Amino acid sequence: DQQVKQNSPSLSVQEGRISILNCDYTNSMFDYFLWYKKYPAEGPTFLISISSIKDKNEDGRFTVFLNKSAKHLSLHIVPSQPGDSAVYFCAASGFGRDDKIIFGKGTRLHILP
Amino acid sequence: DAGVTQSPTHLIKTRGQQVTLRCSPISGHKSVSWYQQVLGQGPQFIFQYYEKEERGRGNFPDRFSARQFPNYSSELNVNALLLGDSALYLCASSLRGEVGNTIYFGEGSWLTVV
Repeated sequence: DQQVKQNSPSLSVQEGRISILNCDYTNSMFDYFLWYKKYPAEGPTFLISISSIKDKNEDGRFTVFLNKSAKHLSLHIVPSQPGDSAVYFCAASGFGRDDKIIFGKGTRLHILP
Repeated sequence: DAGVTQSPTHLIKTRGQQVTLRCSPISGHKSVSWYQQVLGQGPQFIFQYYEKEERGRGNFPDRFSARQFPNYSSELNVNALLLGDSALYLCASSLRGEVGNTIYFGEGSWLTVV
């Protein structure tokens, strides 16, 4: 039973265009949502997060949008760069006293030249 | 500043053997968590330790155990290895292990069980 779902295993985007990665979740108790980026042979790297009380958080080229009523979040990358090619994990936490993170399966983003 | 460090980086074990994986958190971080990432899946939570006490445990069998030492480093032990235990084992650290703390991951230990 997957609580965090990333339904697109891969996505290809032209360099300079906008990349939009989507994520759905089922547990309304989640307090905090995160995006991690992972290169091969490296651990996941924290990218950006958003609290459940907000609907948008922006950090440079990265913006995360949260739609609580739809239990949906998205990560926008503008403009997309070659170094953005990686696997992106959507994750959620906050329904307990620990900081356990529930991850989605990931979306592999390919930035095309 | 050193990030989260894990050892060994790669290892091969035989079914039925036991393995110990090690993790040193970022200096000043008191919480350590362990995750298992099987190929094609996202990382799955195994344990969290804070101030040497177990704070959370995922849905893993009792063959999996962990501990945290006074210097906040941690070990993950897996007994009676199965082929399905082949995975990337990730250690993560955070300041206090609370919701909203940024969690930093190490590069992981690749375990292959043959």
